[in-house]
Amino acid sequence: DTAVSQTPKYLVTQMGNDKSIKCEQNLGHDTMYWYKQDSKKFLKIMFSYNNKELIINETVPNRFSPKSPDKAHLNLHINSLELGDSAVYFCASSQDQPHDGYTFGSGTRLTVV
Amino acid sequence: AQSVAQPEDQVNVAEGNPLTVKCTYSVSGNPYLFWYVQYPNRGLQFLLKYITGDNLVKGSYGFEAEFNKSQTSFHLKKPSALVSDSALYFCAVRPFTGGFKTIFGAGTRLFVKA
Repeated sequence: DTAVSQTPKYLVTQMGNDKSIKCEQNLGHDTMYWYKQDSKKFLKIMFSYNNKELIINETVPNRFSPKSPDKAHLNLHINSLELGDSAVYFCASSQDQPHDGYTFGSGTRLTVV
Repeated sequence: AQSVAQPEDQVNVAEGNPLTVKCTYSVSGNPYLFWYVQYPNRGLQFLLKYITGDNLVKGSYGFEAEFNKSQTSFHLKKPSALVSDSALYFCAVRPFTGGFKTIFGAGTRLFVKA
């Protein structure tokens, strides 16, 4: 059973398009995250939800909008895609305690052409 | 500002030799410390964590890490490297009172030569 699953795995799209990435976890975790990994492998937190409530909202363009229909799902919608949005996007989940580690999905490689 | 530093972009080691991947942090208070590993085209996998107590913590795949409070370091170690250990390693810090935010280092690529 996949603990944190993301779809799609690969996404190639043209500039200006709108796309969504979906994430689901079956671990019963209360907190979910979106991270962006750039071409230099640097990881940057974008958003986090705890029990469907937005708790972390880093400085990202408002073209990016997360949505959490329930605590097992966290989707990422991106409007008006730009070349600079090309990256690997990772979903992760964790329990509520700060000493709990994260479980990551396998990533979505987004390429904007 | 809170930060995590991994001073080496790449570490090269021969198979069978001990390895060390370095990590230092700058966080107020006592943080929780983590190591993750990323294999090519995969998500990050949790290796180990330090919460409190013994400064040497053991994790998955024979890895261990040593916490040094005075040097604010949390170096990853393994007594005998395997070629299959070749991957990207991330140190991460979660401040004790920082809510849910985890800060990741820039990553260190480990290359183990047969």
